[in-house]
Amino acid sequence: GENVEQHPSTLSVQEGDSAVIKCTYSDSASNYFPWYKQELGKGPQLIIDIRSNVGEKKDQRIAVTLNKTAKHFSLHITETQPEDSAVYFCAAWTASGTYKYIFGTGTRLKVLA
Amino acid sequence: DTEVTQTPKHLVMGMTNKKSLKCEQHMGHRAMYWYKQKAKKPPELMFVYSYEKLSINESVPSRFSPECPNSSLLNLHLHALQPEDSALYLCASSQALDTQYFGPGTRLTVL
Repeated sequence: GENVEQHPSTLSVQEGDSAVIKCTYSDSASNYFPWYKQELGKGPQLIIDIRSNVGEKKDQRIAVTLNKTAKHFSLHITETQPEDSAVYFCAAWTASGTYKYIFGTGTRLKVLA
Repeated sequence: DTEVTQTPKHLVMGMTNKKSLKCEQHMGHRAMYWYKQKAKKPPELMFVYSYEKLSINESVPSRFSPECPNSSLLNLHLHALQPEDSALYLCASSQALDTQYFGPGTRLTVL
């Protein structure tokens, strides 16, 4: 079945450094890729998303890149801050009548002050 | 406004109890979802309602019973749960079937 691999599972960076999280999907028909940030005890918060007709999208310190040929997409956070510490989930969705996100396994990001 | 609200925030129940979780959105979204999330795992889809009709049931045990009274409300009725059902229960909504917005969740503990 379809799956999404996410790496790394944990990531520690110094405050001010950049963080990169990568996801690889298996279904070549996937065409929508959201990223969620989940803080402890809270629900996932959509932070950025990208569609398959776009290669890159940026929102302030956060960017997402998509390589359709290689079937992978990445989250880039620049100038990291302690409040960026959370678990990040990627997901892939296919516009083929399914309502189902295929989530990655999550990355725990720790930003060290 | 992309807010989905859920009540209660925390719930502790015994295995013989009946309780309900509630979810509300006022964004005019046409689809609403229930997810279950165990610690350190991604959310797992349970049910999808589209235009107030149940369109997906991911083989969830019958002790979980969803209900969509109107386009803004989604309930999850719980009965005879097991300790392994303890988890964070998340509600989400979306206008199209792609961009989903999640609520804060209900932390359920079954004793």
